[in-house]
Amino acid sequence: EAGVVQSPRYKIIEKKQPVAFWCNPISGHNTLYWYLQNLGQGPELLIRYENEEAVDDSQLPKDRFSAERLKGVDSTLKIQPAELGDSAVYLCASSLEGHTGELFFGEGSRLTVL
Amino acid sequence: AQSVAQPEDQVNVAEGNPLTVKCTYSVSGNPYLFWYVQYPNRGLQFLLKYITGDNLVKGSYGFEAEFNKSQTSFHLKKPSALVSDSALYFCAVRVSGGYNKLIFGAGTRLAVHP
Repeated sequence: EAGVVQSPRYKIIEKKQPVAFWCNPISGHNTLYWYLQNLGQGPELLIRYENEEAVDDSQLPKDRFSAERLKGVDSTLKIQPAELGDSAVYLCASSLEGHTGELFFGEGSRLTVL
Repeated sequence: AQSVAQPEDQVNVAEGNPLTVKCTYSVSGNPYLFWYVQYPNRGLQFLLKYITGDNLVKGSYGFEAEFNKSQTSFHLKKPSALVSDSALYFCAVRVSGGYNKLIFGAGTRLAVHP
């Protein structure tokens, strides 16, 4: 069974440029999450989808961050414009209904903003 | 406020010795507690969880964790450490506001020496 796939693995951009990250969850997983992981810290939830509906986006900085999950499968997280403080690893995860707390994470997309 | 704390940035242990990685939590209601492991350049992997029942829960790779309600702790343990256990370990707790809304501790780096 394929795991959660994220791309790109690494991205280096200049500040004020846009960037997008893509995530393909495990087939059949209805819940998808985007987490932010800063160096030396635990993951912090940005947004959570139940199918195509964003049910928790309270931690998403909506002035520059946006996300979508069309058709309830793949998801894209966008930052526009990027700031120096956005340098971090962006993690995508998915889970299956009924499996409390068992999230499957991708390898992450490491963003460096110069 | 709901939170989870991992008081040790790093734990060092000799191969073959028992290991403990500490975690304390603060939540309202009954806690749902989890441990995840992150190997270098890999995504987080679910290890084990406590929902209800026996205070000692067993998980992957020979790990177990003990739930202690009076001390609000959920320490991760293994009777005999392996060098391959060296990784970053995260404790997490489910918080109110979502079926699988988890908050993670800052992580503890486990180093097992030959």
